[in-house]
Amino acid sequence: AQKITQTQPGMFVQEKEAVTLDCTYDTSDPSYGLFWYKQPSSGEMIFLIYQGSYDQQNATEGRYSLNFQKARKSANLVISASQLGDSAMYFCAMRENYGGATNKLIFGTGTLLAVQP
Amino acid sequence: DGGITQSPKYLFRKEGQNVTLSCEQNLNHDAMYWYRQDPGQGLRLIYYSQIVNDFQKGDIAEGYSVSREKKESFPLTVTSAQKNPTAFYLCASSMGDRGSYEQYFGPGTRLTVT
Repeated sequence: AQKITQTQPGMFVQEKEAVTLDCTYDTSDPSYGLFWYKQPSSGEMIFLIYQGSYDQQNATEGRYSLNFQKARKSANLVISASQLGDSAMYFCAMRENYGGATNKLIFGTGTLLAVQP
Repeated sequence: DGGITQSPKYLFRKEGQNVTLSCEQNLNHDAMYWYRQDPGQGLRLIYYSQIVNDFQKGDIAEGYSVSREKKESFPLTVTSAQKNPTAFYLCASSMGDRGSYEQYFGPGTRLTVT
């Protein structure tokens, strides 16, 4: 069965420093997609970054980058130059049946990031 | 502004009552989804719809029902059969049901049943 694991319930980081949020996944499907979402205290889910299983390069979006290690089945999110506004819950998610007839997302349990001034 | 709206933001109901949560999108997206989030947990898929007049059960569909009569609307009814309805409900949409299209989420509805 497909599964997403986030082992860090909470993380602290100093403002302006970089932080890595861990995500490992399990799937037997060779085609899949991996997403990171941010959930502030207000509750909405904000899309951050996407990595396809066949993408040759690690995805980057501004201060966000995804450290994709396919053999280790890990897709860690790296946030550079942390800002106070980055304090939020972060979820890793995997698309089930990538390229097939469904677009279901499986979510991890999340990591609560607190940025300290 | 394009986006997804969910109303109301907070909803209170007595046990035994059915309640319908609204979800509207003006992004012209084909696919729509309903998720449930419990404290300390990730999101779990309740129902999803790829096109109008068609929808499929997700992982935790028992006690819920949906309809998709219009492309822009995907209301969720929490029935009295749902054993633990108190939760945060999020609606999402995406351009289609294939490829790398990310899902865009609404602001959520926090349902409390007493």
